[in-house]
Amino acid sequence: GEDVEQSLFLSVREGDSSVINCTYTDSSSTYLYWYKQEPGAGLQLLTYIFSNMDMKQDQRLTVLLNKKDKHLSLRIADTQTGDSAIYFCAETGGYNKLIFGAGTRLAVHP
Amino acid sequence: GAVVSQHPSWVICKSGTSVKIECRSLDFQATTMFWYRQFPKQSLMLMATSNEGSKATYEQGVEKDKFLINHASLTLSTLTVTSAHPEDSSFYICSARLGTEEKFFGPGTRLTVL
Repeated sequence: GEDVEQSLFLSVREGDSSVINCTYTDSSSTYLYWYKQEPGAGLQLLTYIFSNMDMKQDQRLTVLLNKKDKHLSLRIADTQTGDSAIYFCAETGGYNKLIFGAGTRLAVHP
Repeated sequence: GAVVSQHPSWVICKSGTSVKIECRSLDFQATTMFWYRQFPKQSLMLMATSNEGSKATYEQGVEKDKFLINHASLTLSTLTVTSAHPEDSSFYICSARLGTEEKFFGPGTRLTVL
């Protein structure tokens, strides 16, 4: 079946790096995504990675994919207070629909 | 990124009434849109996949007669919650697919049924 798991909470100090982890089950997923949700808002697409890649970097964001272990991570360098939000990873399920994890709440403190 | 809008952003209605939520792709055409609901502090649950010009595909457990979906054009999909009840109160979010893999989300609609 399709299932995506994430840790629920992460607290980091401003300026440090944040690493949010995710595991998924569907080995046929072609793309894996990271979305950011701020309170009361919709989802903002941060980045996505094709399943035949193992790393993608986009400014402060680095995505690592371990396809063998079905493990995905998002690293945010130099974390700022504006990065405080809920981060969802998602895999591509059947019929190209997205299957979301429960979301990781990132809290950034001074 | 591409822009997806939703209207209204919030709505309060009486139990038994119907509510229509619109999802629009503003700067691109989307043959496929998706409707999700999100309960407080929970993840998104896919309700249905909306295909332009054809019937929507509903996820298991979602009542198609209660949640009516119409995707009449390449830029507009609507979700109508019929005979709404308090348990239908939720945050409804749509997304539209750009190309083959990029999916952009609307800002969401908060529905409160009294």
